[in-house]
Amino acid sequence: KAGVTQTPRYLIKTRGQQVTLSCSPISGHRSVSWYQQTPGQGLQFLFEYFSETQRNKGNFPGRFSGRQFSNSRSEMNVSTLELGDSALYLCASSGNRGGPEETQYFGPGTRLLVL
Amino acid sequence: GNSVTQMEGPVTLSEEAFLTINCTYTATGYPSLFWYVQYPGEGLQLLLKATKADDKGSNKGFEATYRKETTSFHLEKGSVQVSDSAVYFCALTLYGKLTFGQGTILTVHP
Repeated sequence: KAGVTQTPRYLIKTRGQQVTLSCSPISGHRSVSWYQQTPGQGLQFLFEYFSETQRNKGNFPGRFSGRQFSNSRSEMNVSTLELGDSALYLCASSGNRGGPEETQYFGPGTRLLVL
Repeated sequence: GNSVTQMEGPVTLSEEAFLTINCTYTATGYPSLFWYVQYPGEGLQLLLKATKADDKGSNKGFEATYRKETTSFHLEKGSVQVSDSAVYFCALTLYGKLTFGQGTILTVHP
């Protein structure tokens, strides 16, 4: 079974631009979560989608948004980019029941650099 | 709120040495506990997990036991290899959200 895939793997943007990242979950998984990883703040939860609905949200500003499509693929958008948004953005998917204890499987991440 | 605390790193060991990375947690409720590993330039890989008290997770020679009384989930391996060099993250999940520790860098020398 193919793992979680994320595109693109690397991105360079300038301040004020917006960016869209894409995530395809493991086949059959209905829950997709997004995390931001930075050297200073570590791994932080952004949001989780299940069956096209945002089910959980972390403490990030409204510039960070996401959505999920009927095939469970998810996109994350960051508008008005700031230097501090430079990070590795990780997507994770989990099973088809959506239970809170289910294991999350991670993709390779998208590394975003904001200049 | 929920939180995970890992031992300070980095940890440097010689090949075949014994490894312990301490992890304690604070949670409202009964979380599932995980260890993830991250190799340079890659995403996170699940190493092992435990979903209830006294469960022992194990994989590739690594083990961790869910201790509710001490709110701990320490990672151990009896004999580390150079290929185990990576960053290790302890994490808990409640209601679909993973909360991570700060990560411990492990370097194993031949």
